Amino acid sequence: SQTIHQWPATLVQPVGSPLSLECTVEGTSNPNLYWYRQAAGRGLQLLFYSIGIDQISSEVPQNLSASRPQDRQFILSSKKLLLSDSGFYLCAWTRGGSNSPLHFGNGTRLTVT
Amino acid sequence: TQLLEQSPQFLSIQEGENLTVYCNSSSVFSSLQWYRQEPGEGPVLLVTVVTGGEVKKLKRLTFQFGDARKDSSLHITAAQPGDTGLYLCAGGPLGDSSASKIIFGSGTRLSIRP
Repeated sequence: SQTIHQWPATLVQPVGSPLSLECTVEGTSNPNLYWYRQAAGRGLQLLFYSIGIDQISSEVPQNLSASRPQDRQFILSSKKLLLSDSGFYLCAWTRGGSNSPLHFGNGTRLTVT
Repeated sequence: TQLLEQSPQFLSIQEGENLTVYCNSSSVFSSLQWYRQEPGEGPVLLVTVVTGGEVKKLKRLTFQFGDARKDSSLHITAAQPGDTGLYLCAGGPLGDSSASKIIFGSGTRLSIRP
């Protein structure tokens, strides 16, 4: 069966520090991968999605970037965090196409202080 | 800009009552999905509606996709405290440059009082 791992679960970082969140999927190949951010009690904002290695689409211009060094690995990074980067970050995968269900990791709660 | 707007944003009702949550857009979607999310966890898929006018039932939950595939609704009959949670609609806008883009609605926080 397929599983998705996301870490860390919680993170407290000072303003201006770098960020690296990692997500890996097991049990499937060539998944579509997604990064979302969620403010408390609200909907999910699509940040990045990837249909393959070196194929990453950015939805929101900001100080975040994403990379996909391996087929089933998706990394969210920042060189300098802002206070506004605080939130709940969720990684997800699908088999492909917008009709396919999203399978989510357990999320990372990021607090920028 | 494709947007999915959900209403109401918050809803608190008594156990046993009925309710409807709406998901609307000016864009056409190839399909719409409904998810439920518990605090501190990722959303979990409830249903996917694909055909315009389609109605799907999941026990006390009824999902409908609009004829024009621009909107959807979730109706809960005889709500139970276990239905409490954040309900999210999501979909891939037709005509977008990527068929894999999936955006989410603004969410409806539902609270069922015993």
